[in-house]
Amino acid sequence: DTAVSQTPKYLVTQMGNDKSIKCEQNLGHDTMYWYKQDSKKFLKIMFSYNNKELIINETVPNRFSPKSPDKAHLNLHINSLELGDSAVYFCASSQVRGPYNEQFFGPGTRLTVL
Amino acid sequence: AQKVTQAQTEISVVEKEDVTLDCVYETRDTTYYLFWYKQPPSGELVFLIRRNSFDEQNEISGRYSWNFQKSTSSFNFTITASQVVDSAVYFCALSSNTGFQKLVFGTGTRLLVSP
Repeated sequence: DTAVSQTPKYLVTQMGNDKSIKCEQNLGHDTMYWYKQDSKKFLKIMFSYNNKELIINETVPNRFSPKSPDKAHLNLHINSLELGDSAVYFCASSQVRGPYNEQFFGPGTRLTVL
Repeated sequence: AQKVTQAQTEISVVEKEDVTLDCVYETRDTTYYLFWYKQPPSGELVFLIRRNSFDEQNEISGRYSWNFQKSTSSFNFTITASQVVDSAVYFCALSSNTGFQKLVFGTGTRLLVSP
């Protein structure tokens, strides 16, 4: 009964390939996020969806395309992977309408681009 | 713009010592939220606490306590009688409604607790 799940946990691929990461939450939250954690552990927002609507797009290259088929799912597709895309990608969810807006994170997907 | 500063990059203590992790934030919003997350060596991000800007009451949860002071824009985290299992990277974060509640993270403080 994992709250926020991501697949895959590890992803190793060659430069130039296209890959996707999937995220699902079973908390009934209305908002989902993608964060990137670089090699220095710095965490930065990439995207956010509220009720399937994109509300945050934080100057991420357009090789990155999020898709939210429904409130419980937020996927991240990356085209033409580059070495600099190597990082840990975290999905998170929260209920922004209401008093308890803390974000709960998935286990992360470690992407390695060779 | 919003900013979170965690000036301590790494702290090393011996078990049973008390340790305080500092967090200073900047925001122009009058309503905002502060958080602490723990990232153990296994890599997941674990939510520890949320504090609203209008609630300056300090909080204690077991060995953990948090001191929120708006006058100094600080939200410090103290672990009492530290244990080896407390070894992790701790992140302070800030969000607000004007930022669509995205989390702005500090750079983290790595805590090493040795036996």
